[in-house]
Amino acid sequence: DAGVTQSPTHLIKTRGQQVTLRCSPKSGHDTVSWYQQALGQGPQFIFQYYEEEERQRGNFPDRFSGHQFPNYSSELNVNALLLGDSALYLCASSPEAARGEKLFFGSGTQLSVL
Amino acid sequence: GENVEQHPSTLSVQEGDSAVIKCTYSDSASNYFPWYKQELGKGPQLIIDIRSNVGEKKDQRIAVTLNKTAKHFSLHITETQPEDSAVYFCAASKNQAGTALIFGKGTTLSVSS
Repeated sequence: DAGVTQSPTHLIKTRGQQVTLRCSPKSGHDTVSWYQQALGQGPQFIFQYYEEEERQRGNFPDRFSGHQFPNYSSELNVNALLLGDSALYLCASSPEAARGEKLFFGSGTQLSVL
Repeated sequence: GENVEQHPSTLSVQEGDSAVIKCTYSDSASNYFPWYKQELGKGPQLIIDIRSNVGEKKDQRIAVTLNKTAKHFSLHITETQPEDSAVYFCAASKNQAGTALIFGKGTTLSVSS
């Protein structure tokens, strides 16, 4: 079992650009959540996808958007990048039946905005 | 919304000692409390979790206690080893579909041999 896989592992962008991050959930998991982890901080919830729809959203602007595909994989898109968007972006998956428990995290994508 | 406070931010212990990390939460509706360990360059890994209908849970050298009345929960690591060195995060959420985990700011645990 490959667990949660994310790509790319590292990314460097400049202000104003757009970025797409990708996530494949753990086998058997159908719910995908995205978190942003700034340096020295705990992960902050961005949004959650289930059945290809955004079900819950944290306090993030509309520049952050996502998508879930029929195979449960997911993308996180960030438009008009700001310096403050530099962070580790984590994808977490869980089975819907777990009702929010037992989240498995990927190793993340380290995004640097210059 | 939910707010989770975690203390201490750093903790240094000698190998073999015990380590205790404490968290408080604000939303009395929260009923699920996981603990994650994050090593350098990796994502958080679930090490133990507890639901609000349980006061204590143990898994080998790791235990978690929960005081619902005081809205406190703690992680206890006994007989610490150098490989326990990492950042530990507590989190809280409601046990329902669609809910998000709210994390504390983390505790950097250093175990010296």
